[in-house]
Amino acid sequence: EAQVTQNPRYLITVTGKKLTVTCSQNMNHEYMSWYRQDPGLGLRQIYYSMNVEVTDKGDVPEGYKVSRKEKRNFPLILESPSPNQTSLYFCASSYRQGMGYEQYFGPGTRLTVT
Amino acid sequence: GEDVEQSLFLSVREGDSSVINCTYTDSSSTYLYWYKQEPGAGLQLLTYIFSNMDMKQDQRLTVLLNKKDKHLSLRIADTQTGDSAIYFCAERDNTDKLIFGTGTRLQVFP
Repeated sequence: EAQVTQNPRYLITVTGKKLTVTCSQNMNHEYMSWYRQDPGLGLRQIYYSMNVEVTDKGDVPEGYKVSRKEKRNFPLILESPSPNQTSLYFCASSYRQGMGYEQYFGPGTRLTVT
Repeated sequence: GEDVEQSLFLSVREGDSSVINCTYTDSSSTYLYWYKQEPGAGLQLLTYIFSNMDMKQDQRLTVLLNKKDKHLSLRIADTQTGDSAIYFCAERDNTDKLIFGTGTRLQVFP
């Protein structure tokens, strides 16, 4: 089954404790991205990757890191989480970036930083 | 920068039509999208419209685009309880980036 998976689905952590949210897709997609969803703000892009070893900042990259060592995986790293990073995070992928290519979304990771 | 706006809530009775509205600011948008987010799930693409179209119909869904006013709407005919979800409007700007609206929570009551 074609899908985007994220782990964990729920995470409660404390300020400053490094964490990683994994994202994996099995569709051989080149383009992957991370979004955060906050009430009243919709989805905002954090980072994206056009292909292996190619990553770039989205609209709200501060406090986050990503890596793309393999095509299928695109982990999101919070080196020192803070309470303002409490949010719902979505990973998405598409064959390429561009108008003809549908983005497939993962189920989301709800992160709470206390 | 680009901005996409939607009203936050809509409540309709089962069987009625729902109309979810969206306004955007980027006149160079090429494609406009509607996504559906069910509780506890990711976003699912519902439908899209190319910017040179005025209307697109897909079963119970009708998308209307008024490019002059930069207004997009999604009409759901014969709304069912299973249509209860958050609906996101999104535009693809001239750098191919997707810009999402704030989302409209549709509640369908019996």
